[in-house]
Amino acid sequence: AQKITQTQPGMFVQEKEAVTLDCTYDTSDPSYGLFWYKQPSSGEMIFLIYQGSYDQQNATEGRYSLNFQKARKSANLVISASQLGDSAMYFCAMRDDLSGGYQKVTFGIGTKLQVIP
Amino acid sequence: NAGVTQTPKFRVLKTGQSMTLLCAQDMNHEYMYWYRQDPGMGLRLIHYSVGEGTTAKGEVPDGYNVSRLKKQNFLLGLESAAPSQTSVYFCASSFGARVNTGELFFGEGSRLTVL
Repeated sequence: AQKITQTQPGMFVQEKEAVTLDCTYDTSDPSYGLFWYKQPSSGEMIFLIYQGSYDQQNATEGRYSLNFQKARKSANLVISASQLGDSAMYFCAMRDDLSGGYQKVTFGIGTKLQVIP
Repeated sequence: NAGVTQTPKFRVLKTGQSMTLLCAQDMNHEYMYWYRQDPGMGLRLIHYSVGEGTTAKGEVPDGYNVSRLKKQNFLLGLESAAPSQTSVYFCASSFGARVNTGELFFGEGSRLTVL
């Protein structure tokens, strides 16, 4: 059974500083994908970044980068130059590519990030 | 551009009542998912579908049923609602990893309260 673990219930970061949100995962499947989503207080789910299990380089999207350490089964999100608008819940998720074309996506419990002016 | 639409957005039920949440997507996605979000528990997968007529159980399927009779629609049913099913429900859809990253596109959520 796959599992996503986010061990930081809440994080604070000073505006303009960088912050790392931790995510570890557990799967026995060789093919999988890792996502990070942002959920602001308004409630919508916003896709941030994706890393495939076979990707050799860490994914980057603007101020977001994913620190992918496959051997450690970790996929930490790094937000550079934090902004007040980054205050939100952040969810790590994993897509498991199962037999028969089944693909299941499960989420961690999230980390609440608050950016301090 | 509608994307993923959930109806209703809000609903209050009494214990034992039944209801159906409708999820509709206009992106021709193969995969569709139903999640529930509860404080401190993240998003938990209820059921998912890999195509028209095919569904599978997720992490917390008990008390829910689903159907995918048409590719664009994924219905979540509560046959006999219980207070423990009070939650925010999210529907999501994706092409799956065979086409692209399998990124999920989410609806706006449906807030269900069971009294």
